[in-house]
Amino acid sequence: DAKTTQPPSMDCAEGRAANLPCNHSTISGNEYVYWYRQIHSQGPQYIIHGLKNNETNEMASLIITEDRKSSTLILPHATLRDTAVYYCIVVSGAGSYQLTFGKGTKLSVIP
Amino acid sequence: GAGVSQSPRYKVAKRGQDVALRCDPISGHVSLFWYQQALGQGPEFLTYFQNEAQLDKSGLPSDRFFAERPEGSVSTLKIQRTQQEDSAVYLCASSLDSLLNQPQHFGDGTRLSIL
Repeated sequence: DAKTTQPPSMDCAEGRAANLPCNHSTISGNEYVYWYRQIHSQGPQYIIHGLKNNETNEMASLIITEDRKSSTLILPHATLRDTAVYYCIVVSGAGSYQLTFGKGTKLSVIP
Repeated sequence: GAGVSQSPRYKVAKRGQDVALRCDPISGHVSLFWYQQALGQGPEFLTYFQNEAQLDKSGLPSDRFFAERPEGSVSTLKIQRTQQEDSAVYLCASSLDSLLNQPQHFGDGTRLSIL
């Protein structure tokens, strides 16, 4: 699976948009970009995923650059409950579709 | 609807004891995964089932770890002769099928503490 690089931490003011970047410069053409988050003492929560096109759901938006080498997760109106570790993961079909978690970005939403 | 359910939520065992951790996946989900999460780290893959078949067990740390899913639904992760380094949160995830565009959905894990 392609390696991902994320900033270790970010702050965001409550009510503002949180933009979390991820670099995946070695991504292959058939690999998906997935985002999960983990709130303390809970299991990882699926947020969104995409291949080439930008995606939006009720939780977030995913913007993937045209060359697919980076992406940004956007939480449009961050709340205190969005404070969590956010993981950007590239998933390939080689093997068992396992998720390889890096260190993620610790997002702190500040009142 | 019901998500992935894991039990027990917490387990304390003495070194050398055997433990069994249970996972109830989302109904109808074909694929099931086990992960281990040490304190302060991200989850790490242990093993993967498609229905009842264990297709990948490359992440199991030793032969003391054994997983099964005999009827293609509930899965059990067993650890024999536990050691202190086995202390971790054990997470189970399921997905509808083994496709790249099918997300895995996680339970809240079993926190195992070995004394």
